[in-house]
Amino acid sequence: QVQLVESGGSVVQPGRSLKLSCAASGFTFTTSVMHWVRQAPGKGLEWVAVISSDGRNEFYIDSVKGRFTISRDNSKNTLYLQMNSLRVEDMAVYYCARDLPLAGALDYWGQGTLVTVSS
Amino acid sequence: DIVMTQSPDSLAVSLGERATINCKSSQSVLYSSNNKNYVAWYQQKPGQPPKLIICWASSRESGVPDRFSGSGSGTDFTLTISNVQAEDVAVYYCQQYYSTPRTFGQGTKLEIK
Repeated sequence: QVQLVESGGSVVQPGRSLKLSCAASGFTFTTSVMHWVRQAPGKGLEWVAVISSDGRNEFYIDSVKGRFTISRDNSKNTLYLQMNSLRVEDMAVYYCARDLPLAGALDYWGQGTLVTVSS
Repeated sequence: DIVMTQSPDSLAVSLGERATINCKSSQSVLYSSNNKNYVAWYQQKPGQPPKLIICWASSRESGVPDRFSGSGSGTDFTLTISNVQAEDVAVYYCQQYYSTPRTFGQGTKLEIK
């Protein structure tokens, strides 16, 4: 069965960096478009970034452009989110999600990993 | 960016009644070349990740009860839950995947009256 397992969330100070990982299994990762979506405590969903199946194309929400980098290692079936210059407003549960093939909706989600940004 | 606006923010219905959630996009998400509306609906229960329940505005995902239905086209969309059950208590989100950023609505909280 499809599994997405995020890791790497922790408590960090503003301005510091953190790298999240998402281990994928149960589907053909190498042909899947992948996303990061976040949810601040008690708030709604916010789409963060997407990466093409071959890793060549990436798109970001404006508030993280230049600070976050989405990447993938298809040999390891793993998705990453490098987060630099973290801000208090980046504090959230970060979910990785798979793009429904030939569609674009997000059909599988991980359980999420919590990033806390606090001094 | 396409803005997705849901209404209401919350609603309470009695068991067995119908719940209707609306979602309006700031521009059309109907792709003329394939006549498909690039809208999805998700259900998020407390402490869980979101679950895709409808894509293409009206196509129910496998395993989703048929009391859930989606409708609409262009800029106006509706999620209808007929015969609401206790297990339907959740926050529901619409999302457009017509363009990036793939924006979500702010969510609608469904409770039982």
